[in-house]
This record gives sequence, structure tokens and C-alpha cells, in this order.
Amino acid sequence: DSGVTQTPKHLITATGQRVTLRCSPRSGDLSVYWYQQSLDQGLQFLIQYYNGEERAKGNILERFSAQQFPDLHSELNLSSLELGDSALYFCASSEQGYEQFFGPGTRLTVL
Amino acid sequence: DQQVKQNSPSLSVQEGRISILNCDYTNSMFDYFLWYKKYPAEGPTFLISISSIKDKNEDGRFTVFLNKSAKHLSLHIVPSQPGDSAVYFCAASANSGNTGKLIFGQGTTLQVKP
Repeated sequence: DSGVTQTPKHLITATGQRVTLRCSPRSGDLSVYWYQQSLDQGLQFLIQYYNGEERAKGNILERFSAQQFPDLHSELNLSSLELGDSALYFCASSEQGYEQFFGPGTRLTVL
Repeated sequence: DQQVKQNSPSLSVQEGRISILNCDYTNSMFDYFLWYKKYPAEGPTFLISISSIKDKNEDGRFTVFLNKSAKHLSLHIVPSQPGDSAVYFCAASANSGNTGKLIFGQGTTLQVKP
């Protein structure tokens, strides 16, 4: 158990819909990262927050957004969903430095 | 442009033997490298890491070697155990501006046969 929690574990929705994925980092970790793993793809970095502020952005679509709240949990919002958004979405946290600890992921299926 | 590459999609070894997983990178700004293990339906689990100022780091059965001139790193598992069967990801970070984002390879599926 990494100490990072993600909800929900599975999510099935339809094209055009909007969903919110939630992540709670390890106690004391200020950084939260979001990654996407599509079929046959490695993990792709989406976005990082540090203590409530956006710190870095990867190849995140404009339809996607994230935020980190004062209690340090983070939410990833995915809107106008397309079939190609079906993927595993992982959240990771770190105190500082390089080692990131990953949650169990949310499997999103867009029908 | 794939900056971190794991060219072997799969590897099969006998229990008790050595497993060697390889990773190549192209970005000379990477200053830290990590290996993660992933079981199905779980998130990646951190295994071992190495700074670019070192060429070897060892933790129990796991050793990571870094060859900066060749832009190559490898993970050695000795002795291999059936429980090591999983997907192994190599990751790299440049940590410029303390962003800490990781660039992952595509993964290598290791099967350790009893």
C-alpha cells in the first residue's frame, strides 16, 4: 500500500460526458502528479500540482483540468469525453525529490 | 519523440537465474532514473533509483547500473523469483525547476518460471 488513494476504482460513462477523478496523496506529500496510461502506451505525464499551485504541464488536453485543494487532495476533471479517453489514470505523490508513489488508479471506460 | 525506451517488450527467465532489464534514453538532461514494478490492476510500485552522478545502486536482490556515455541503464534481479513476474517500467527525470515529472518507457513484461 503506497498510501495514495484514488476514487473511483472504475468509471464507465458515455461520450460527451464529464467525470471527476479524485486523489488523496500520502500524508505530508505536497506534490501530486497525474498520469494517463492508454492501451499499449506507457505512462504519460499530464500535470503536477505542488501545495495548491500548478507546477508543470505535460500533454494534457484542453478538455482536461485539475486542481489541488487546501487539504492537498487533487481532482482531475475530464470533459466532453471521447472514446479515446478510455484509459487508466494514475495519481502519484511525492514529498520532494524524485521518487513518486502511485495510487491504484482509476480505470475510465468511455462508451 | 520517445525519450526513454525499453526495447524488449518481454523477458522470460528461470527461477534463481539473473533477470536483466534494459533501458535507453536520449535526453542528456536527465539526472535521475527510477525503476517501477507494476502488477495488473495495481499502480506502479517504486523499486530502486539512481542519480546520474553514480554508476551503480544496489538494494537487496535489485541492482541498477547506469552508463551515462551510452545513455543506458539496466536493472539486475538476482536471484529471480516467481513473485518478480510483473511489468517493469524505467523512468527518468530532469527535475528542471523542481517539476519532478517522470518520463516513462513502454515497459518490459518479466516472467519468472518456477
